Amino acid sequence: ETGVTQSPTHLIKTRGQQVTLRCSSQSGHNTVSWYQQALGQGPQFIFQYYREEENGRGNFPPRFSGLQFPNYSSELNVNALELDDSALYLCASSSAESTGELFFGEGSRLTVL
Amino acid sequence: GENVEQHPSTLSVQEGDSAVIKCTYSDSASNYFPWYKQELGKGPQLIIDIRSNVGEKKDQRIAVTLNKTAKHFSLHITETQPEDSAVYFCAASASGSARQLTFGSGTQLTVLP
Repeated sequence: ETGVTQSPTHLIKTRGQQVTLRCSSQSGHNTVSWYQQALGQGPQFIFQYYREEENGRGNFPPRFSGLQFPNYSSELNVNALELDDSALYLCASSSAESTGELFFGEGSRLTVL
Repeated sequence: GENVEQHPSTLSVQEGDSAVIKCTYSDSASNYFPWYKQELGKGPQLIIDIRSNVGEKKDQRIAVTLNKTAKHFSLHITETQPEDSAVYFCAASASGSARQLTFGSGTQLTVLP
């Protein structure tokens, strides 16, 4: 069984640029959630995707957007990067038909200069 | 929205001793309370969870208790081992599952040999 994989693992951007992060969900999972984890903090919910539609959103501005593809993989896009966007971005997959346990990837570490 | 507070932020125990981490939540509609363990450079991993219709749950050396009236829940680890050293996060959700989790700020547990 393949776990959740994320790419890239690390990246550096400058303020105002755009970034795309990618996530492959665990085999058999149809739901993907994205979380932002600032250094020394707990993860914060960005949004969740189910059947290629956004299915819940946290307190993040519209410049954070996402996609889910027919194979359940997902992308997180962030436009107009700000210094405060520097964080670990975690993708988690789950099955809507099960208990809903989240399986996290190892994250993409974004640094905005 | 939901607010989850977690204490202590750091905890050091001797190997073999017990460790207790406490969380409080604000939303009385919350009904699902998972605990995650995050090791350095990895994503969070679910270690135990509890739903609001249960007051206590145990899995080997790990137990979780829930007091709905007081809106707090606790993680208990007995017979701690060096490999228990990690950051532990509590979380809460009103969806009955791991949808749109609100995380606490984390506890760095160090088990001293």
